[in-house]
Amino acid sequence: LAKTTQPISMDSYEGQEVNITCSHNNIATNDYITWYQQFPSQGPRFIIQGYKTKVTNEVASLFIPADRKSSTLSLPRVSLSDTAVYYCLVGDRGGGADGLTFGKGTHLIIQP
Amino acid sequence: EAGVTQFPSHSVIEKGQTVTLRCDPISGHDNLYWYRRVMGKEIKFLLHFVKESKQDESGMPNNRFLAERTGGTYSTLKVQPAELEDSGVYFCASSLLGGANVLTFGAGSRLTVL
Repeated sequence: LAKTTQPISMDSYEGQEVNITCSHNNIATNDYITWYQQFPSQGPRFIIQGYKTKVTNEVASLFIPADRKSSTLSLPRVSLSDTAVYYCLVGDRGGGADGLTFGKGTHLIIQP
Repeated sequence: EAGVTQFPSHSVIEKGQTVTLRCDPISGHDNLYWYRRVMGKEIKFLLHFVKESKQDESGMPNNRFLAERTGGTYSTLKVQPAELEDSGVYFCASSLLGGANVLTFGAGSRLTVL
């Protein structure tokens, strides 16, 4: 079971790009990296998933170096509504519980 | 498309009482998960259904918790009898079979045990 380490919290300002890095030194060959976002009083929401190199969607980009021991979630031009907790999960894609273990997450606060 | 629906949104009960939480997953999602967040703690996995079968219930805290998924559709999580430490938010999530850990979560059911 790969363990992840993320910053506890981060602050930034509207309009800036925010990068949140997650360490997962024990990632296994079959493991994927998945990021979720959670607002207060809501359940987590899937943001992006990747295996290696770079993945981009309409919400974020995910950068994964060749050794895959870390990953960086990049949020372009953040707004106040991006204030949330961001979770990095690592596990195989079989749908089992191993890939769906939430850590403490990163509390991102966006200021005007 | 309707999302994952959980009921009730909030329940306040006394220690020793019984509470049943319900989750309606997205139609067609065979994977159904229950999670719990106790105040100040991380979101913890409770169990995983594939259709009506329990695939993994390693996260269930004790035998006061009973989860069912009748006919592979909606699921219920019963706590009987409830204890103070059961207070928290219970999340349900669902995904397609082979859905690659892309889960859709409900808004959660907050349980307060007095």
